[in-house]
Amino acid sequence: DAGVTQSPTHLIKTRGQQVTLRCSPKSGHDTVSWYQQALGQGPQFIFQYYEEEERQRGNFPDRFSGHQFPNYSSELNVNALLLGDSALYLCASSRYSDNWNNEQFFGPGTRLTVL
Amino acid sequence: AQRVTQPEKLLSVFKGAPVELKCNYSYSGSPELFWYVQYSRQRLQLLLRHISRESIKGFTADLNKGETSFHLKKPFAQEEDSAMYYCALRPIQGAQKLVFGQGTRLTINP
Repeated sequence: DAGVTQSPTHLIKTRGQQVTLRCSPKSGHDTVSWYQQALGQGPQFIFQYYEEEERQRGNFPDRFSGHQFPNYSSELNVNALLLGDSALYLCASSRYSDNWNNEQFFGPGTRLTVL
Repeated sequence: AQRVTQPEKLLSVFKGAPVELKCNYSYSGSPELFWYVQYSRQRLQLLLRHISRESIKGFTADLNKGETSFHLKKPFAQEEDSAMYYCALRPIQGAQKLVFGQGTRLTINP
Protein backbone atom coordinates (compact mmCIF):
# COMPACT_ATOMS: atom_id res chain seq x y z
CA ASP A 1 0.00 0.00 0.00
CA ALA A 2 1.53 3.28 -1.13
CA GLY A 3 -0.50 5.15 1.42
CA VAL A 4 -2.02 8.49 0.48
CA THR A 5 -0.87 9.65 -2.93
CA GLN A 6 -1.13 13.13 -4.41
CA SER A 7 -0.55 14.55 -7.86
CA PRO A 8 1.10 16.50 -9.21
CA THR A 9 4.12 16.97 -6.97
CA HIS A 10 4.74 20.52 -8.07
CA LEU A 11 2.69 23.03 -10.02
CA ILE A 12 3.30 26.56 -11.25
CA LYS A 13 0.38 28.77 -12.22
CA THR A 14 -0.21 32.46 -12.81
CA ARG A 15 -2.65 34.74 -11.07
CA GLY A 16 -6.24 34.34 -12.18
CA GLN A 17 -5.79 30.78 -13.40
CA GLN A 18 -7.55 27.72 -12.06
CA VAL A 19 -5.89 24.60 -10.64
CA THR A 20 -6.95 21.04 -9.81
CA LEU A 21 -5.06 18.89 -7.33
CA ARG A 22 -5.69 15.18 -6.88
CA CYS A 23 -5.57 12.77 -3.99
CA SER A 24 -5.98 9.01 -3.62
CA PRO A 25 -6.64 7.85 -0.07
CA LYS A 26 -4.92 5.03 1.72
CA SER A 27 -6.42 1.62 1.00
CA GLY A 28 -9.50 1.02 3.17
CA HIS A 29 -10.07 4.72 3.84
CA ASP A 30 -13.21 6.55 2.74
CA THR A 31 -12.74 10.07 4.11
CA VAL A 32 -10.48 12.73 2.64
CA SER A 33 -9.48 16.07 4.14
CA TRP A 34 -7.51 18.86 2.50
CA TYR A 35 -5.12 21.24 4.22
CA GLN A 36 -3.17 24.29 3.07
CA GLN A 37 0.29 24.79 4.54
CA ALA A 38 1.89 28.15 3.87
CA LEU A 39 5.64 28.48 4.30
CA GLY A 40 6.61 28.45 7.97
CA GLN A 41 3.08 27.72 9.13
CA GLY A 42 1.18 24.69 10.29
CA PRO A 43 -1.43 23.06 8.05
CA GLN A 44 -4.82 24.80 7.85
CA PHE A 45 -7.97 22.76 7.33
CA ILE A 46 -9.78 23.51 4.07
CA PHE A 47 -12.54 20.89 3.97
CA GLN A 48 -13.41 17.23 4.39
CA TYR A 49 -15.25 14.86 2.07
CA TYR A 50 -17.14 11.71 2.91
CA GLU A 51 -19.68 9.85 0.76
CA GLU A 52 -18.98 12.33 -2.03
CA GLU A 53 -20.21 15.27 0.04
CA GLU A 54 -18.45 18.12 1.77
CA ARG A 55 -18.94 17.47 5.49
CA GLN A 56 -16.85 20.12 7.18
CA ARG A 57 -15.29 23.32 5.93
CA GLY A 58 -12.63 25.61 7.28
CA ASN A 59 -12.33 29.34 6.82
CA PHE A 60 -11.61 29.38 3.10
CA PRO A 61 -13.43 31.31 0.36
CA ASP A 62 -15.70 29.72 -2.22
CA ARG A 63 -12.84 29.83 -4.72
CA PHE A 64 -11.78 26.61 -3.01
CA SER A 65 -14.00 23.71 -3.96
CA GLY A 66 -13.67 19.98 -4.03
CA HIS A 67 -15.07 16.73 -5.15
CA GLN A 68 -14.97 13.12 -4.05
CA PHE A 69 -15.42 10.26 -6.46
CA PRO A 70 -17.08 6.86 -5.87
CA ASN A 71 -13.63 5.28 -5.48
CA TYR A 72 -13.01 7.75 -2.58
CA SER A 73 -10.35 9.73 -4.43
CA SER A 74 -10.71 13.48 -4.27
CA GLU A 75 -9.91 16.68 -6.11
CA LEU A 76 -9.26 20.15 -4.79
CA ASN A 77 -10.05 22.99 -7.18
CA VAL A 78 -8.94 26.56 -6.71
CA ASN A 79 -10.30 29.27 -9.02
CA ALA A 80 -9.02 32.78 -9.68
CA LEU A 81 -5.64 32.05 -8.13
CA LEU A 82 -4.01 34.68 -5.96
CA LEU A 83 -0.35 35.01 -5.04
CA GLY A 84 -1.35 34.12 -1.49
CA ASP A 85 -2.56 30.71 -2.62
CA SER A 86 1.05 29.63 -3.03
CA ALA A 87 1.48 26.84 -0.50
CA LEU A 88 1.87 23.13 0.07
CA TYR A 89 -1.51 21.41 -0.22
CA LEU A 90 -1.84 18.30 1.90
CA CYS A 91 -4.39 15.57 1.59
CA ALA A 92 -5.21 13.33 4.56
CA SER A 93 -7.37 10.23 4.64
CA SER A 94 -9.05 8.21 7.35
CA ARG A 95 -11.83 5.69 7.84
CA TYR A 96 -15.13 7.29 8.81
CA SER A 97 -16.23 4.36 10.96
CA ASP A 98 -13.12 4.92 13.08
CA ASN A 99 -14.20 8.48 13.76
CA TRP A 100 -13.82 8.27 17.52
CA ASN A 101 -10.34 6.88 17.29
CA ASN A 102 -9.40 7.83 13.77
CA GLU A 103 -5.93 8.58 12.64
CA GLN A 104 -5.46 10.78 9.63
CA PHE A 105 -2.75 9.66 7.23
CA PHE A 106 -1.17 12.44 5.24
CA GLY A 107 0.08 12.48 1.69
CA PRO A 108 3.36 14.04 0.56
CA GLY A 109 1.63 17.19 -0.65
CA THR A 110 1.44 19.24 -3.83
CA ARG A 111 3.58 22.37 -3.93
CA LEU A 112 1.63 25.13 -5.72
CA THR A 113 3.42 28.28 -6.80
CA VAL A 114 1.37 31.20 -8.11
CA LEU A 115 3.30 33.82 -10.09
CA ALA B 1 -11.98 30.51 19.06
CA GLN B 2 -9.82 27.48 18.47
CA ARG B 3 -6.14 28.17 18.54
CA VAL B 4 -2.91 26.23 19.09
CA THR B 5 0.27 28.06 20.00
CA GLN B 6 3.77 26.65 19.85
CA PRO B 7 5.93 29.45 21.20
CA GLU B 8 9.27 28.10 19.96
CA LYS B 9 9.88 27.95 16.21
CA LEU B 10 13.32 26.46 16.79
CA LEU B 11 14.65 24.33 19.61
CA SER B 12 18.14 22.91 19.82
CA VAL B 13 19.36 20.49 22.49
CA PHE B 14 22.27 18.12 22.92
CA LYS B 15 21.96 14.38 22.61
CA GLY B 16 21.08 12.84 25.95
CA ALA B 17 19.56 16.06 27.30
CA PRO B 18 15.86 16.35 28.19
CA VAL B 19 13.51 17.81 25.61
CA GLU B 20 10.30 19.74 26.13
CA LEU B 21 8.30 21.15 23.23
CA LYS B 22 5.64 23.55 24.41
CA CYS B 23 2.05 23.64 23.20
CA ASN B 24 -0.76 25.80 24.50
CA TYR B 25 -4.30 25.76 23.21
CA SER B 26 -7.37 27.92 23.33
CA TYR B 27 -10.69 26.11 23.19
CA SER B 28 -13.85 26.33 25.25
CA GLY B 29 -14.89 22.68 25.00
CA SER B 30 -13.17 19.38 25.71
CA PRO B 31 -10.42 19.09 23.16
CA GLU B 32 -8.60 16.18 21.72
CA LEU B 33 -4.90 16.96 21.46
CA PHE B 34 -2.30 15.41 19.22
CA TRP B 35 1.36 15.68 18.38
CA TYR B 36 2.36 15.15 14.75
CA VAL B 37 5.94 14.80 13.53
CA GLN B 38 7.58 15.28 10.19
CA TYR B 39 11.04 13.80 9.73
CA SER B 40 13.28 15.03 6.94
CA ARG B 41 11.90 14.08 3.50
CA GLN B 42 9.00 12.18 5.06
CA ARG B 43 5.34 12.98 5.32
CA LEU B 44 3.49 14.27 8.35
CA GLN B 45 2.59 11.46 10.75
CA LEU B 46 0.89 11.04 14.08
CA LEU B 47 3.25 10.74 17.03
CA LEU B 48 0.80 10.50 19.91
CA ARG B 49 -2.62 11.58 21.14
CA HIS B 50 -3.65 12.51 24.65
CA ILE B 51 -6.49 10.00 24.94
CA SER B 52 -4.07 7.12 24.44
CA ARG B 53 -1.85 8.20 27.33
CA GLU B 54 0.96 6.20 25.79
CA SER B 55 4.65 6.76 25.25
CA ILE B 56 5.86 6.68 21.66
CA LYS B 57 9.59 6.68 20.88
CA GLY B 58 10.15 7.75 24.47
CA PHE B 59 7.92 10.83 24.12
CA THR B 60 5.04 11.59 26.45
CA ALA B 61 2.56 14.43 26.64
CA ASP B 62 0.13 15.27 29.40
CA LEU B 63 -2.98 17.32 28.88
CA ASN B 64 -3.19 20.05 31.53
CA LYS B 65 -6.64 21.56 31.26
CA GLY B 66 -5.94 24.13 33.97
CA GLU B 67 -2.98 25.54 32.06
CA THR B 68 -4.48 24.62 28.66
CA SER B 69 -1.20 22.98 27.72
CA PHE B 70 -0.08 19.77 26.07
CA HIS B 71 3.70 19.87 26.23
CA LEU B 72 5.72 17.08 24.60
CA LYS B 73 8.56 15.67 26.68
CA LYS B 74 11.38 13.17 26.37
CA PRO B 75 13.93 12.59 29.12
CA PHE B 76 16.90 11.78 26.89
CA ALA B 77 17.02 13.18 23.36
CA GLN B 78 18.40 11.13 20.49
CA GLU B 79 19.75 12.39 17.18
CA GLU B 80 16.93 10.68 15.29
CA ASP B 81 14.44 12.90 17.15
CA SER B 82 15.48 15.83 14.96
CA ALA B 83 12.32 16.78 13.07
CA MET B 84 9.46 19.25 12.76
CA TYR B 85 6.85 18.81 15.49
CA TYR B 86 3.28 20.07 15.28
CA CYS B 87 0.76 20.21 18.07
CA ALA B 88 -2.85 19.85 16.90
CA LEU B 89 -6.30 20.11 18.38
CA ARG B 90 -9.47 18.41 17.22
CA PRO B 91 -12.32 20.68 18.31
CA ILE B 92 -15.16 18.25 17.69
CA GLN B 93 -14.84 14.65 18.78
CA GLY B 94 -15.35 12.36 15.88
CA ALA B 95 -14.86 15.09 13.30
CA GLN B 96 -11.95 15.33 10.94
CA LYS B 97 -10.84 18.94 11.29
CA LEU B 98 -7.52 19.45 12.99
CA VAL B 99 -6.23 22.85 14.11
CA PHE B 100 -2.43 22.92 13.97
CA GLY B 101 0.13 25.07 15.66
CA GLN B 102 2.95 26.70 13.70
CA GLY B 103 5.36 23.92 14.52
CA THR B 104 8.69 23.63 16.30
CA ARG B 105 11.84 22.51 14.52
CA LEU B 106 13.79 20.34 16.94
CA THR B 107 17.49 19.81 16.33
CA ILE B 108 19.45 17.34 18.40
CA ASN B 109 23.15 18.11 18.42
CA PRO B 110 25.65 15.24 18.81
